[in-house]
Amino acid sequence: EDQVTQSPEALRLQEGESSSLNCSYTVSGLRGLFWYRQDPGKGPEFLFTLYSAGEEKEKERLKATLTKKESFLHITAPKPEDSATYLCAVQWGVNAGNNRKLIWGLGTSLAVNP
Amino acid sequence: EAQVTQNPRYLITVTGKKLTVTCSQNMNHEYMSWYRQDPGLGLRQIYYSMNVEVTDKGDVPEGYKVSRKEKRNFPLILESPSPNQTSLYFCASSLSGAKGNQPQHFGDGTRLSIL
Repeated sequence: EDQVTQSPEALRLQEGESSSLNCSYTVSGLRGLFWYRQDPGKGPEFLFTLYSAGEEKEKERLKATLTKKESFLHITAPKPEDSATYLCAVQWGVNAGNNRKLIWGLGTSLAVNP
Repeated sequence: EAQVTQNPRYLITVTGKKLTVTCSQNMNHEYMSWYRQDPGLGLRQIYYSMNVEVTDKGDVPEGYKVSRKEKRNFPLILESPSPNQTSLYFCASSLSGAKGNQPQHFGDGTRLSIL
């Protein structure tokens, strides 16, 4: 069964304490893996797209990496403003056409304490 | 400012009373989609539209209707709402792309409560 699993479900860090969030997937024909950030009361906000194993992308304190089975979102020296839920979504299929149909993970709720 | 705007943001209504949630984007995006987000179930796609006058079902379309008469607007219609449609709803849009893997821009959500 195609699915996306994020771990941990929740993570609490002290400011400056680096860590990683995991997104593992079991789909055939990965066409793109997306990371989003969601703040309470807001819609998901796009962070990164990764297309193939070995690819990495960075933005400020965040770095996303991709292997054939999982993606990691590394957070270096986090600040309280990094507190949010981080969502992972996978687009798959050899002939998926142009539908942006995605499988979404349930997210990791990150809290960074000052 | 590039944005996806949903209205209303909050709505409490009763079973069977037709309602419409509007969605508008100002980025000239071809693709638009509706999702619902429920605890423990994550984001699930309701309907999507590849372009004007082209719509199709997502994973959970029962009880919902959509229309795409203009590029910028994609309203979600609940003809006869029921309590199991109580949820947080998001509209999203994106550019079209040859490989279909363009990131989506989301609205801030509409919280619907059906009593």
